[in-house]
Amino acid sequence: ETGVTQSPTHLIKTRGQQVTLRCSSQSGHNTVSWYQQALGQGPQFIFQYYREEENGRGNFPPRFSGLQFPNYSSELNVNALELDDSALYLCASSLGGVRNTEAFFGQGTRLTVV
Amino acid sequence: GENVEQHPSTLSVQEGDSAVIKCTYSDSASNYFPWYKQELGKRPQLIIDIRSNVGEKKDQRIAVTLNKTAKHFSLHITETQPEDSAVYFCAATGGTSYGKLTFGQGTILTVHP
Repeated sequence: ETGVTQSPTHLIKTRGQQVTLRCSSQSGHNTVSWYQQALGQGPQFIFQYYREEENGRGNFPPRFSGLQFPNYSSELNVNALELDDSALYLCASSLGGVRNTEAFFGQGTRLTVV
Repeated sequence: GENVEQHPSTLSVQEGDSAVIKCTYSDSASNYFPWYKQELGKRPQLIIDIRSNVGEKKDQRIAVTLNKTAKHFSLHITETQPEDSAVYFCAATGGTSYGKLTFGQGTILTVHP
């Protein structure tokens, strides 16, 4: 196990609703990245948080937002849910700041929008 | 931004054979290339990685090679076992994309007993 935990594991929401997903990073890690993995696809980078600040964003609209807390855990918020937001949402924990280091993934949150 | 292409999309081998998965990347500034294994319904697991200052890295039955000039890298699995069956993803990061992984589309590896 990686020590990276996500909650909840599964979630069903209605189109137009809002959702918050949570991630606890591995001990000693200060960076959390969020990815969206559609069925049969590779993970797509949403954004990254390093020491509580957003440190890069992928090609996702502003209704995808996030936070990182002083203990380096993180939240992903999605507003105005659309059917295409249905996917596995993964967070990855790493030690950033100096060079690229190993990123360890949580088990993911399976979001279904109906 | 970075773009990673992965081939083949599916790979079927007999137990004991070797398997090779290839990836190409577009950003010459990328300098870190991990490989992940994802079993059905589970998290991606890092199985091996390589940095741009080396050309090859090996860990038991798994090896990765990197050709910076051609901008491609490959995963080699020898003596495959049924438990190697999974989806394998390559990824790249570095340069202006520091720490943000760009993944390939994945390869479904099936090892037949």
